[in-house]
Amino acid sequence: EDQVTQSPEALRLQEGESSSLNCSYTVSGLRGLFWYRQDPGKGPEFLFTLYSAGEEKEKERLKATLTKKESFLHITAPKPEDSATYLCAVNGGATNKLIFGTGTLLAVQP
Amino acid sequence: NAGVTQTPKFQVLKTGQSMTLQCAQDMNHNSMYWYRQDPGMGLRLIYYSASEGTTDKGEVPNGYNVSRLNKREFSLRLESAAPSQTSVYFCASSESGGPGVEQYFGPGTRLTVT
Repeated sequence: EDQVTQSPEALRLQEGESSSLNCSYTVSGLRGLFWYRQDPGKGPEFLFTLYSAGEEKEKERLKATLTKKESFLHITAPKPEDSATYLCAVNGGATNKLIFGTGTLLAVQP
Repeated sequence: NAGVTQTPKFQVLKTGQSMTLQCAQDMNHNSMYWYRQDPGMGLRLIYYSASEGTTDKGEVPNGYNVSRLNKREFSLRLESAAPSQTSVYFCASSESGGPGVEQYFGPGTRLTVT
């Protein structure tokens, strides 16, 4: 069964304390892995798309990487405004549809 | 550009009432989607429209109907609301329905069914 698992469920960091969020997936024939940011009461905001193992993308303090089984979202020197839920989704397998993980709730304290 | 807009933002219904959630996008996208988001669960696809004039069921279509009114607009209808349909509903759009294409989401409609 196609599946996406994100860990940890919640993460609390001090401002400036770098860390990584994990997204592991089981899907045959990955056609794309997506990272979204979701603020409370808002819709998911697109961050990155990764297509193949070894690919990396960066945006400000965020860097996404991809292997054959998982993706990491690295957050370097986070600020309180980075606090949000980060969602991972994959497109692959038997259908053409996105399969979402349940997200990691990140809280960055000043 | 407003992106993807949804109305209403909040709604409270009684069991058995009906309502339509509206969605519009101004990005000239071909494909549109309706998801629901519940605590502890990932976003789940209700219905989608790969292109104007077509609609298909997603993972959780029971109790819902959709209409792709034109290229810009995609509505979701609850004919007889049930408490199990209490959720946050998101509309999304993408340039195409093809694989590996990112979707852009609206702000959501928070629906409570009592």
